[in-house]
Amino acid sequence: GQNIDQPTEMTATEGAIVQINCTYQTSGFNGLFWYQQHAGEAPTFLSYNVLDGLEEKGRFSSFLSRSKGYSYLLLKELQMKDSASYLCAVVDSNYQLIWGAGTKLIIKP
Amino acid sequence: IAGITQAPTSQILAAGRRMTLRCTQDMRHNAMYWYRQDLGLGLRLIHYSNTAGTTGKGEVPDGYSVSRANTDDFPLTLASAVPSQTSVYFCASSDPRDSSGELFFGEGSRLTVL
Repeated sequence: GQNIDQPTEMTATEGAIVQINCTYQTSGFNGLFWYQQHAGEAPTFLSYNVLDGLEEKGRFSSFLSRSKGYSYLLLKELQMKDSASYLCAVVDSNYQLIWGAGTKLIIKP
Repeated sequence: IAGITQAPTSQILAAGRRMTLRCTQDMRHNAMYWYRQDLGLGLRLIHYSNTAGTTGKGEVPDGYSVSRANTDDFPLTLASAVPSQTSVYFCASSDPRDSSGELFFGEGSRLTVL
């Protein structure tokens, strides 16, 4: 079966750095997404990785290792507004999106 | 403002009733999707449409139907609602010309079936 694993919940301090991991086992791989979802709102796009390596976009970076079936989202200089759920999703060999259950990130002052 | 509009935002429904969730986009995206989101689970695809006039079944299609008469509209119908269909429903679209396949989501419809 296909599986995406992420931690259910993480807590971090304002101004700090946090890394949210995502491991996947899917039938094929055609890319990996990270989305941010604030409580009661729609998911919004953060990043897309299809090649190995680190993609940096402001305070957020996303890393992919296809050989390890592993990705992480790195958030720097955490702000209170970063409190949200972070969803990992993989595009499989049929170009279908397989979603993880999401990681709820709690930021404390 | 360009984007996806869903209606209603929230609805309480008696079991056995018929319900249609509306979704309209003005981005001229060919592909549209309906997902449900339940606590502790990832987004699950109900139905999708790659272009107007075509639809396909997703991971959890039972009890739901869709139509795609034109590019902009993609309504989701529950023919006879059951309590297990209590969920938050998200409509989404994507542009096949975008190599990343980024999804754009509506604000969601929270449905409670009693």
